[in-house]
Amino acid sequence: GQNIDQPTEMTATEGAIVQINCTYQTSGFNGLFWYQQHAGEAPTFLSYNVLDGLEEKGRFSSFLSRSKGYSYLLLKELQMKDSASYLCALHSGAGSYQLTFGKGTKLSVIP
Amino acid sequence: NAGVTQTPKFRILKIGQSMTLQCAQDMNHNYMYWYRQDPGMGLKLIYYSVGAGITDKGEVPNGYNVSRSTTEDFPLRLELAAPSQTSVYFCASGPDSSYEQYFGPGTRLTVT
Repeated sequence: GQNIDQPTEMTATEGAIVQINCTYQTSGFNGLFWYQQHAGEAPTFLSYNVLDGLEEKGRFSSFLSRSKGYSYLLLKELQMKDSASYLCALHSGAGSYQLTFGKGTKLSVIP
Repeated sequence: NAGVTQTPKFRILKIGQSMTLQCAQDMNHNYMYWYRQDPGMGLKLIYYSVGAGITDKGEVPNGYNVSRSTTEDFPLRLELAAPSQTSVYFCASGPDSSYEQYFGPGTRLTVT
């Protein structure tokens, strides 16, 4: 099976940098997704890491370390609109098309 | 492109009733998925399909059925609704299993 852990809630200040961690235990996976979900809305794709290392996309970056069972999402120059839940999900590889989601981290950005 | 559409947006069912949640996509994606999301919980996969005529169970399939007669449509059937099926249901599609999944707006279902 797979187990994914994320902090339940975080609070950060507008303009600051915040790091949202995701740790996991799994026997194998193809890659790791990060999704953003505003309250009452559908999840939207942020990033997909297959290889170890940092992937940067504008204000958002995502990091993966397979050996440590660890990923993080880094949000820079926080804006009020970044207040949302951030979902970490493991993607199983060949023969399986399932995403296993963590419970999500609710980020509140305050002025 | 409308993307992934779901109907209805909201529904209240009585215990024991049945209903079908509709999902359609116009992106010609082969892969389609149904998830449920309970408050404070992550999304859990109910069923998925890798193409027309092919479906398979996900993590929480009990109490649900699906069919995939066309590439575009992937309806989810609830038979004998139970309070435990109160949830938000999301349909998603993707071009293949290595790419992001595009989610519909969700159906909020209450069973009382």
